[in-house]
Amino acid sequence: GAGVSQTPSNKVTEKGKYVELRCDPISGHTALYWYRQSLGQGPEFLIYFQGTGAADDSGLPNDRFFAVRPEGSVSTLKIQRTERGDSAVYLCASSPSGRSTGELFFGEGSRLTVL
Amino acid sequence: GQNIDQPTEMTATEGAIVQINCTYQTSGFNGLFWYQQHAGEAPTFLSYNVLDGLEEKGRFSSFLSRSKGYSYLLLKELQMKDSASYLCAVSGGGFKTIFGAGTRLFVKA
Repeated sequence: GAGVSQTPSNKVTEKGKYVELRCDPISGHTALYWYRQSLGQGPEFLIYFQGTGAADDSGLPNDRFFAVRPEGSVSTLKIQRTERGDSAVYLCASSPSGRSTGELFFGEGSRLTVL
Repeated sequence: GQNIDQPTEMTATEGAIVQINCTYQTSGFNGLFWYQQHAGEAPTFLSYNVLDGLEEKGRFSSFLSRSKGYSYLLLKELQMKDSASYLCAVSGGGFKTIFGAGTRLFVKA
């Protein structure tokens, strides 16, 4: 596909479980971002990759959250021991480069509900 | 610290003009973006400003004053489909893009 693809689109899990969310960016985009968005709020920065490396992970709320991008393309956001407060829409975005002049192209998001 | 402020909600009439303001304080500055987000959908890019002044693109214009930490998005000839959230975002030091909480715009007939 031409756009950013995120799977699953919806995930319902129980408190304490492990969750993986996947993002497939636009082909050729080197920069990849993860955001979290709660209802009525703007996207909250989590982590930013430039290629395979995490250029800035200062937004990850705690050590239960981890993200990888092993081959510089697909990225996976991993959440351990999920809590009800983790419920949100997790948005992935990619950009042709890490330069600030690049607009972000967003996926449709993965809606996570922790019961 | 880093902070982006914009009004929570605005209401305007179809065919009118509306201005959505944004003030920001960030560590470093590499540009300011406006995104549109319809309910249940992903944000989509509207505009980018890195130098002071007005950027015009069709019915949408965006203004930036770096010295004041201030931007606005101007929407002309409002249409019902313009009802959405408008997100002000700043690319700061390290090219990390931070978003405001968004302004929900309601366009009424």
